[in-house]
Amino acid sequence: SYVLTQAPSVSVAPGETARLSCGGHNIVSKSVHWYQQKPGQAPVVVISFDSDRPSGIPERFSGSNSGNTATLTISRVEAGDEADYFCQVWDRVTEHQEVIFGGGTKLTVL
Amino acid sequence: DVQLVQTGTDVKKPGESLRISCKGFGYRFDMYWIAWVRQMPGKGLEWMGSIYPGDSDTRYSPSFQGQVTMSADESNTTAYLEWSSLKASDTAMYFCARHGPSPRPQLDNWGQGTLVTVSS
Repeated sequence: SYVLTQAPSVSVAPGETARLSCGGHNIVSKSVHWYQQKPGQAPVVVISFDSDRPSGIPERFSGSNSGNTATLTISRVEAGDEADYFCQVWDRVTEHQEVIFGGGTKLTVL
Repeated sequence: DVQLVQTGTDVKKPGESLRISCKGFGYRFDMYWIAWVRQMPGKGLEWMGSIYPGDSDTRYSPSFQGQVTMSADESNTTAYLEWSSLKASDTAMYFCARHGPSPRPQLDNWGQGTLVTVSS
């Protein structure tokens, strides 16, 4: 089955740029969605379809997808961005499309 | 506003049955797939499957096929996730989430989660 690989953790200082990667075979052929999950809360979608930002999500969040890697970029990182981030795609495993999640990256703001 | 409201925390013993629910508000419940997602303590997100309330078409992840049953009551705008015989390894947070409207969509609205603890 299709595997999405995320680094377990990324650390960045406030004001810097965080780049979170999501690796998968030819992931450019898929639409990638990104979710932010803060402790004790439900996930929230921050980027959909590779680079679309839902209403209410700050412009500091952006996404890209190329080759075997999709990237979530968070500019001017703030303390409130500290959270777990998961990427997600759809893949055909049986006769139907199924949801695949990456293992998640914990973003720590130093 | 779209809202998904889930049942609260439940504590069960191994072998017991359980049904948790997810009630939708603020949109046409019958027209959007509902996904169930498991998150074990300290772990990532796992898709269990999805159901279309309009006709109860259901898709299960191979990992969860036969382990749980999904259902929906269109008239009560509620989706359900059910176990017939719980195991300790079912201890987890369970989220419901609505699929967006597009093909291969994001999960655009999430319930607050139901914590299920299975312990003797």
